[in-house]
Amino acid sequence: AQTVTQSQPEMSVQEAETVTLSCTYDTSESDYYLFWYKQPPSRQMILVIRQEAYKQQNATENRFSVNFQKAAKSFSLKISDSQLGDAAMYFCAYSSGLQGGSEKLVFGKGTKLTVNP
Amino acid sequence: DSGVTQTPKHLITATGQRVTLRCSPRSGDLSVYWYQQSLDQGLQFLIQYYNGEERAKGNILERFSAQQFPDLHSELNLSSLELGDSALYFCASSLGREGNYEQYFGPGTRLTVT
Repeated sequence: AQTVTQSQPEMSVQEAETVTLSCTYDTSESDYYLFWYKQPPSRQMILVIRQEAYKQQNATENRFSVNFQKAAKSFSLKISDSQLGDAAMYFCAYSSGLQGGSEKLVFGKGTKLTVNP
Repeated sequence: DSGVTQTPKHLITATGQRVTLRCSPRSGDLSVYWYQQSLDQGLQFLIQYYNGEERAKGNILERFSAQQFPDLHSELNLSSLELGDSALYFCASSLGREGNYEQYFGPGTRLTVT
């Protein structure tokens, strides 16, 4: 079974600075998807960024980018120019890419990010 | 707004009771997923439906059941409720077709069992 590990329960960053959240995963599959979700105090789950395992290029969405290291099974999230609104719980998630299989998400335990003004 | 709706937003009920949570997926999405978020278990996958049929089951208790209707909305039924069932229940939807696996989450239903 696939597992996702987020080793940093809490992180903090100064406004306008850069922070990197770590995620590692374990799988025997070669085709899969990885995601970062943000959960602010409202508890809404918001998709931040996604990465397909077959793509070598790291995904980028505005101030959010990932460092995907397939061999190391590592998928970190970098947030640049941090803003107060970035304060939230961040979850790393894995989804199988097997054809005909379930795309259920397997989540890590989350990293709570605090942004200091 | 993700386009996924869930009702009710909050539910308070007593042990032993039965409740139904409702989810309407984004327009065009065929897959619906249910997740449970609790303090001790984190975010856990419960069950998935694709175009009306069950596709995958996760850590779903036998007291829980779900279905997806022809109009693609889904309901999660929780019965013989226990204190430990108190949690935030999310519904998510996706196109469910190859290459379109992004899941969009509803606002959740917060269930409190007293």
